[in-house]
Amino acid sequence: DAGITQSPRYKITETGRQVTLMCHQTWSHSYMFWYRQDLGHGLRLIYYSAAADITDKGEVPDGYVVSRSKTENFPLTLESATRSQTSVYFCASSENSRDYGYTFGSGTRLTVV
Amino acid sequence: AQKVTQAQTEISVVEKEDVTLDCVYETRDTTYYLFWYKQPPSGELVFLIRRNSFDEQNEISGRYSWNFQKSTSSFNFTITASQVVDSAVYFCALSEASAAGNKLTFGGGTRVLVKP
Repeated sequence: DAGITQSPRYKITETGRQVTLMCHQTWSHSYMFWYRQDLGHGLRLIYYSAAADITDKGEVPDGYVVSRSKTENFPLTLESATRSQTSVYFCASSENSRDYGYTFGSGTRLTVV
Repeated sequence: AQKVTQAQTEISVVEKEDVTLDCVYETRDTTYYLFWYKQPPSGELVFLIRRNSFDEQNEISGRYSWNFQKSTSSFNFTITASQVVDSAVYFCALSEASAAGNKLTFGGGTRVLVKP
């Protein structure tokens, strides 16, 4: 199906484990983003990418790694998960022009125990 | 740096009442875009409106209306005759034309609870 999909939808992991959240979009949008949503903080930008092989840090990048070898995929890896990374993670994409807005995935609820 | 403030953390109303959500933003850019998103209890983010900085015309869409005032850096959202289905968290967001990577900055959100 066309759109932006995130997987898994829910994930429980243990402290110290590596976990990867997947994001896939079918529009060939140039820009992709990862946000985390926490109570009281709204959505905060973790990393973003302007194109394949171009990524940059957002507001809260510590503890996360991203890659973008293909335009359509933008995985987010927690190298050594901590309880403070328990959150809802949203992936988004947008075209070059902001006139087309942003499209968000359904989110991944991650719990680190 | 761009910033978005939604001072109201939670608003509770009775069905059919009007509710206004405040959004104040800060930017040095002359070209920027403002957005409102709705997040219902199911958790997804639903796009409601996008407005660029050169278009100050207010907009109405059904029971929703938006008041954009550059003079006060505000982009307020009103739900008229609220319904239980309007219960959700609403986010205001800003994207500056000069911001690298088309970044979108969100406010903290306002939770709206509409009671029957």
